[in-house]
Amino acid sequence: GQQLNQSPQSMFIQEGEDVSMNCTSSSIFNTWLWYKQDPGEGPVLLIALYKAGELTSNGRLTAQFGITRKDSFLNISASIPSDVGIYFCAGPRSNYKLTFGKGTLLTVNP
Amino acid sequence: DVKVTQSSRYLVKRTGEKVFLECVQDMDHENMFWYRQDPGLGLRLIYFSYDVKMKEKGDIPEGYSVSREKKERFSLILESASTNQTSMYLCASSPDGLAGRNTQYFGPGTRLTVL
Repeated sequence: GQQLNQSPQSMFIQEGEDVSMNCTSSSIFNTWLWYKQDPGEGPVLLIALYKAGELTSNGRLTAQFGITRKDSFLNISASIPSDVGIYFCAGPRSNYKLTFGKGTLLTVNP
Repeated sequence: DVKVTQSSRYLVKRTGEKVFLECVQDMDHENMFWYRQDPGLGLRLIYFSYDVKMKEKGDIPEGYSVSREKKERFSLILESASTNQTSMYLCASSPDGLAGRNTQYFGPGTRLTVL
């Protein structure tokens, strides 16, 4: 079945630094989703991508749908302490179901 | 803004009790989902529903049932709670449409502890 490899597993950065994380799939996707989850909360949808090559921004966040349709990237510019959390990528494994990456744990030192 | 709400943030139940977890979405979404999330195991799909009164098993349906009597409401039922059902339960919804149906919006979660 489809698997998502998300990297890095964790990142420790200083406030103000830029962050980059990515997800790769063993098969082609027609949708890429990026979520953020704070401790004890549900995942919040950050960015949804529907077209190969698409580059979409949401404030300081930018995500790209890879041309091969097998990968996606999420960048966070000028990180701040509230960016701390777990970032998940996700893609469809059927008409309704999603497969999720294992997450990137981001820690921002003030 | 899409809003998915769950009836409780924290719940403590005893082994053998019947447990109801309620989820409501206010965006007229056709599809609704129940997941559980455990450390090291990630998000696992329990059941989903693509229409009122329609349901399909996910990856780990054993020990659970669901009910969808109204479009906006999707209930997860633990017929006889067991300690291995202690977990974070997440509800999600998505609209229909070719791309949209894969775009799921999550609720805040219910942390269930079974003693």
